[in-house]
Amino acid sequence: EAGVTQSPTHLIKTRGQQATLRCSPISGHTSVYWYQQALGLGLQFLLWYDEGEERNRGNFPPRFSGRQFPNYSSELNVNALELEDSALYLCASSLYPRTGGYTQYFGPGTRLTVL
Amino acid sequence: AQTVTQSQPEMSVQEAETVTLSCTYDTSENNYYLFWYKQPPSRQMILVIRQEAYKQQNATENRFSVNFQKAAKSFSLKISDSQLGDTAMYFCAFMKHGTNAGKSTFGDGTTLTVKP
Repeated sequence: EAGVTQSPTHLIKTRGQQATLRCSPISGHTSVYWYQQALGLGLQFLLWYDEGEERNRGNFPPRFSGRQFPNYSSELNVNALELEDSALYLCASSLYPRTGGYTQYFGPGTRLTVL
Repeated sequence: AQTVTQSQPEMSVQEAETVTLSCTYDTSENNYYLFWYKQPPSRQMILVIRQEAYKQQNATENRFSVNFQKAAKSFSLKISDSQLGDTAMYFCAFMKHGTNAGKSTFGDGTTLTVKP
């Protein structure tokens, strides 16, 4: 069974540009989560999507946004990039939590570097 | 809001010995899940072990076991017979049950080095 995949592996942008990160969940999973992991630090929750809707959002500015497509894949968009947005962005997927899908399975991440 | 605290930024252990990683959390919820995740250097994060708060029995997975103390809000991970492949960053995480489930709170991690 294929795991969670993310693309691209690495992304280099300059300040003020926009970045788009992509995630494909495990087959059968309807929930997708996005996390930001700054170098050497823990994970900060960004967004949770399920069945195409945003279910929850972390304490991030509105320039962090995303969407989930009918096939449950997801995009994370970061507008007006700032230097401090440089981080590893992790995507995870699960079954819907309220029906038992509490375990999240992580992708390898996208390393975003803002110059 | 929930908080998760891992008080040991770095730990080391000799191969084949036992090590315990600490995690405490703060919540007003009664039903929730706790997790330990492992993130090897430059590799994918994977689930090590999961504990449901309503279960009194501590979870075990081969060499990995937890000591879950609900009243003390403590959730430590014990790794027995440590192996070189256990070298990784370990994260403790909390997830509510029910409404608003899905928003996980992670600790800052403990970097574990297993020495030969």
